[in-house]
Amino acid sequence: DAKTTQPPSMDCAEGRAANLPCNHSTISGNEYVYWYRQIHSQGPQYIIHGLKNNETNEMASLIITEDRKSSTLILPHATLRDTAVYYCIAVNSGYSTLTFGKGTMLLVSP
Amino acid sequence: EPEVTQTPSHQVTQMGQEVILRCVPISNHLYFYWYRQILGQKVEFLVSFYNNEISEKSEIFDDQFSVERPDGSNFTLKIRSTKLEDSAMYFCASMGTLYGYTFGSGTRLTVV
Repeated sequence: DAKTTQPPSMDCAEGRAANLPCNHSTISGNEYVYWYRQIHSQGPQYIIHGLKNNETNEMASLIITEDRKSSTLILPHATLRDTAVYYCIAVNSGYSTLTFGKGTMLLVSP
Repeated sequence: EPEVTQTPSHQVTQMGQEVILRCVPISNHLYFYWYRQILGQKVEFLVSFYNNEISEKSEIFDDQFSVERPDGSNFTLKIRSTKLEDSAMYFCASMGTLYGYTFGSGTRLTVV
């Protein structure tokens, strides 16, 4: 699976959009980009995934660059409950084992 | 929303003792996993299970570890002789569709 690179931490004001970047320059054509988050030692939580096209669900939007070398997770209106570690993971399929990095610690402040 | 249930939430055991961590995956899911997270460290893959057998395991998953799906609902992780370094949060996960894993809330294992 391709290695991903994320900033160690980010801050966001409550109510504003949180844009979390991820670099995956070595991603192969059949690898998906998955995003999970982990709130304070709870089990990781699936957020969204994509292959080539931008994706949106009730939690977030995922923007993948045309060359697929990077992506951005967007939380449109961050709340205090969105404070968590966010992981960007490249995998061949949803069933693949997940290799977690250190992720990005997002702190949402009032 | 369907959940993955793990019991107990916290287990304290003496070094050398056997422990069994229990998980009830989502009922129509077919793929099952165990991950662990040592305090302050990354989440690490242990083992995946499909069609009643191990499909993949990591280097961590040595002979001291075993998994079992004894009936149609439970999925267990057994550590035969616990070591201090086995202290960690253990997360069970299941997957049925292509929309990501569902993780349980974890079992905190403390080996003393």
